[in-house]
Amino acid sequence: EPEVTQTPSHQVTQMGQEVILRCVPISNHLYFYWYRQILGQKVEFLVSFYNNEISEKSEIFDDQFSVERPDGSNFTLKIRSTKLEDSAMYFCASSEGLLTDTQYFGPGTRLTVL
Amino acid sequence: DAKTTQPTSMDCAEGRAANLPCNHSTISGNEYVYWYRQIHSQGPQYIIHGLKNNETNEMASLIITEDRKSSTLILPHATLRDTAVYYCIVRVAVYGGSQGNLIFGKGTKLSVKP
Repeated sequence: EPEVTQTPSHQVTQMGQEVILRCVPISNHLYFYWYRQILGQKVEFLVSFYNNEISEKSEIFDDQFSVERPDGSNFTLKIRSTKLEDSAMYFCASSEGLLTDTQYFGPGTRLTVL
Repeated sequence: DAKTTQPTSMDCAEGRAANLPCNHSTISGNEYVYWYRQIHSQGPQYIIHGLKNNETNEMASLIITEDRKSSTLILPHATLRDTAVYYCIVRVAVYGGSQGNLIFGKGTKLSVKP
């Protein structure tokens, strides 16, 4: 069964450093998403992406964040200058087509900012 | 904010049916009810969704009341591996002009006990 994959599973970085989290969505899916979950808190939407453009973004997704689809398979989330409060699980998701199609999530990347 | 209300926690005996309720009294006619679950800190896993009619798949059944103001997710024979946080989410069904992101609440922590 096709699935969303994410790398790395765990990333440790120093405050102020740039990190890139990688995702490989399900191959025939066209919509891509990033969510995050701070330890013990709710899963929060960050951004959705379609046709090489951001479709929607939340207040959390400020200028420190960017997303990119650098090739036909990868979807990345970049945090330019990490802060302690960026420590969280980051989940990538993808859906087949229309915005209302079911989203399938990857296993997540645990980001720890020291 | 999430448009649903769920109990904080529930217990279920292994092998018995787990019935997880959800209230969504302000649901609109064009909104689906989606269920996801999250096992420990893994990525949310899609379970099932429905609009008006009851739905069943290999994982669960979804019973939606006639007025659509509440629903129940049924795991027919719960196992220890079904221990997870279960999220009930309402989401727009009509394409165009609406956000595709999922809004997660706190969900119900289901503990399946031997």
